[in-house]
Amino acid sequence: EAGVAQSPRYKIIEKRQSVAFWCNPISGHATLYWYQQILGQGPKLLIQFQNNGVVDDSQLPKDRFSAERLKGVDSTLKIQPAKLEDSAVYLCASSPRAGVVDTQYFGPGTRLTVL
Amino acid sequence: GQQVMQIPQYQHVQEGEDFTTYCNSSTTLSNIQWYKQRPGGHPVFLIQLVKSGEVKKQKRLTFQFGEAKKNSSLHITATQTTDVGTYFCAPPNAGGTSYGKLTFGQGTILTVHP
Repeated sequence: EAGVAQSPRYKIIEKRQSVAFWCNPISGHATLYWYQQILGQGPKLLIQFQNNGVVDDSQLPKDRFSAERLKGVDSTLKIQPAKLEDSAVYLCASSPRAGVVDTQYFGPGTRLTVL
Repeated sequence: GQQVMQIPQYQHVQEGEDFTTYCNSSTTLSNIQWYKQRPGGHPVFLIQLVKSGEVKKQKRLTFQFGEAKKNSSLHITATQTTDVGTYFCAPPNAGGTSYGKLTFGQGTILTVHP
């Protein structure tokens, strides 16, 4: 079974630029998560999709961050414009079922550096 | 809101020594998960505990869920260099519509000296 795929693995941009990350979850998984992990901290949930609908985006800075999950499969997370404090690893995870506490399978992450 | 505290934040051990990390919650938990993240890697699921007082073992790893379901621990017997990494507890988010959302603790960073 293929794992969660993410691209790019690394990205360096200057502040005020835009950036987009892509995630392909494990096939058939209903729930998809985007996390932000700042160095030395635990992952912080940014947004959670069940199929193609958003069920939690309470910690997503909506003035600059946006995300979508097309056709309930792949997802993209965009930052526009980026700030220095956005430097972090962005992790995508998926879980098989919707609406329950389930094992989360993480992708390798995208390491973003904002200069 | 729900507060999750993990202690210690750092632990340095000699290979062969034991290691324990503790996770304490301000609220009663329905269940709790544990994840391991190797340096430069991504979190990997280890286990989920559901029952009060539950104890589960995976080789040298022993996981416990407190009787009151407000704390949990992970104990590693005779650490090896492969145990290096950050261990996170992750209880479900408190609230009526958690939709399976987890709240990750700040983690315990384990260093094993050969």
